[in-house]
Amino acid sequence: GENVEQHPSTLSVQEGDSAVIKCTYSDSASNYFPWYKQELGKRPQLIIDIRSNVGEKKDQRIAVTLNKTAKHFSLHITETQPEDSAVYFCAASKGNDMRFGAGTRLTVKP
Amino acid sequence: DAGITQSPRHKVTETGTPVTLRCHQTENHRYMYWYRQDPGHGLRLIHYSYGVKDTDKGEVSDGYSVSRSKTEDFLLTLESATSSQTSVYFCAISKKVYSGNTIYFGEGSWLTVV
Repeated sequence: GENVEQHPSTLSVQEGDSAVIKCTYSDSASNYFPWYKQELGKRPQLIIDIRSNVGEKKDQRIAVTLNKTAKHFSLHITETQPEDSAVYFCAASKGNDMRFGAGTRLTVKP
Repeated sequence: DAGITQSPRHKVTETGTPVTLRCHQTENHRYMYWYRQDPGHGLRLIHYSYGVKDTDKGEVSDGYSVSRSKTEDFLLTLESATSSQTSVYFCAISKKVYSGNTIYFGEGSWLTVV
């Protein structure tokens, strides 16, 4: 089955700096790659997603890039703010089978 | 929130007792899932359902069973709870969006087995 690896497990940045989280996947048939943000005590919530036929997608301060050949994708957050502090999960799916990375705890220091 | 309700939200139970978690959805989604979340492991799929009475195992199904007798309800049962099953359990549904089939989560059920 699909295996998703996520790095780093923890990331600390200064407010205003950029943050990058990277994921790799194993199944070349995976074609959909969402990212979730989970605040403490809350459910994971979708923040951005990308299909395999798209190389990059941007939504305000967040962007996702996908390299199908290398089977890796990344989340980029620019101009980080304290409210960006959370755990972020990447995922890879084909059809209705979605597998998640282990998560990255992002801390944005004011 | 995709109309997902989990109950109970918090439960403490003793080792060896049976526990059932309930997931209820109001939007008639075909696919429903149970995930568990543990530090360092992310979200791992326990079981999923693709219709009434149609269920299948995920990657960590040992010690768990599920049932789906109605489209709107998906039950997760721990037949004899163990301390290793202390976790946060998330129910989820799959919903088609422009980019693909996206998972939406319920609010979670915190289970402690003592």
